[in-house]
Amino acid sequence: AQSVTQPDIHITVSEGASLELRCNYSYGATPYLFWYVQSPGQGLQLLLKYFSGDTLVQGIKGFEAEFKRSQSSFNLRKPSVHWSDAAEYFCAVGFRAAGNKLTFGGGTRVLVKP
Amino acid sequence: NAGVTQTPKFQVLKTGQSMTLQCAQDMNHEYMSWYRQDPGMGLRLIHYSVGAGITDQGEVPNGYNVSRSTTEDFPLRLLSAAPSQTSVYFCASSFTGPGSPGQGAQGYTFGSGTRLTVV
Repeated sequence: AQSVTQPDIHITVSEGASLELRCNYSYGATPYLFWYVQSPGQGLQLLLKYFSGDTLVQGIKGFEAEFKRSQSSFNLRKPSVHWSDAAEYFCAVGFRAAGNKLTFGGGTRVLVKP
Repeated sequence: NAGVTQTPKFQVLKTGQSMTLQCAQDMNHEYMSWYRQDPGMGLRLIHYSVGAGITDQGEVPNGYNVSRSTTEDFPLRLLSAAPSQTSVYFCASSFTGPGSPGQGAQGYTFGSGTRLTVV
């Protein structure tokens, strides 16, 4: 069965600094890849997604992510973090053979220092 | 356009009680699913449905039932609540991909969640 790993449970970053969140998946087929953000007490909001084509994808709120097939990774980045980016971030992976089912990573909680 | 609506937002149950978590979407999405979110474990799939009349089990189905009599509604039933079912529950929906169901995973629209405590 496929699995998704987000190695960092917590990350603390200063406001204005850059942010990178890691995501690795295990499966042989070409994946569909997603990043979601969850603000406290809220549901999940889609940040960006990769289906095919250009491996660098742009999302909302200034986020981008890069798919690296050789590393089975889909890391999320933001050049300059704002205090409002404090939230929990989830990577999710789907595969054509699994239909619409997504497997989620354990999440990374981002804290932003003033 | 309301999106995905979950009710209730909060619920406290006693062990052994039953209840139904409601989920409704108004986007004509074929695919609907229920996840539970527990600290450090991300979201785990309970049940899902690819269309009215079709449901299937996810990763953690035990103790839960679902039905899909209409495209819009996908209720989750707890048959006999246990403390291990204390969690935050999310309903999510999406279109299926092009062609027949299961050919693509589109981005999900999530409800705002139901926080359930079983005492």
